Amino acid sequence: GENVEQHPSTLSVQEGDSAVIKCTYSDSASNYFPWYKQELGKRPQLIIDIRSNVGEKKDQRIAVTLNKTAKHFSLHITETQPEDSAVYFCAASFSGYSTLTFGKGTMLLVSP
Amino acid sequence: DAGITQSPRYKITETGRQVTLMCHQTWSHSYMFWYRQDLGHGLRLIYYSAAADITDKGEVPDGYVVSRSKTENFPLTLESATRSQTSVYFCASSELLTSHSYEQYFGPGTRLTVT
Repeated sequence: GENVEQHPSTLSVQEGDSAVIKCTYSDSASNYFPWYKQELGKRPQLIIDIRSNVGEKKDQRIAVTLNKTAKHFSLHITETQPEDSAVYFCAASFSGYSTLTFGKGTMLLVSP
Repeated sequence: DAGITQSPRYKITETGRQVTLMCHQTWSHSYMFWYRQDLGHGLRLIYYSAAADITDKGEVPDGYVVSRSKTENFPLTLESATRSQTSVYFCASSELLTSHSYEQYFGPGTRLTVT
């Protein structure tokens, strides 16, 4: 089955800095890669996703890049703010099946 | 998000007892999922269901039972709870694969403690 590795497990940045979280996947058939954000004590929520037919997708301060050849994808957050502090999960799936395999998460702490 | 609910939100039970966690969604989503979240392990899939009366195992199904007699409900039962099942349990739902969105919508979670 699919295996998703996520790094780093924790990331501390100063407000205004950029943050990058990286994930690798094992199944070359995977073609859908979402990112979920989970604030402390809350439920995970989708923040951005990318499909394998594109290499990059942006939404305001967040962007995701995908390298199919290397089987890795990354989340980029620019101009970080304290409210970006949360746990971020990457995931992968093959669109023929609706199950997601999640990475173990990255705790992002943005200090004012 | 208010369309998917879980109950109870908190539960303390003893080893060996049976406990059922409830999940209800109002969107008529075809797919429903149960995950457990543990520190250092992220979100792990326990069971999922593609439609009423169709269920399948995920990554960590041992010790759990599910049923789905109605599209909107997907209860998770721990037949004989063990301390290793102490966790936060999330239910989620998503639309049919043929839709444009594969987003999974999560419920608020149930924090289960087995003593």
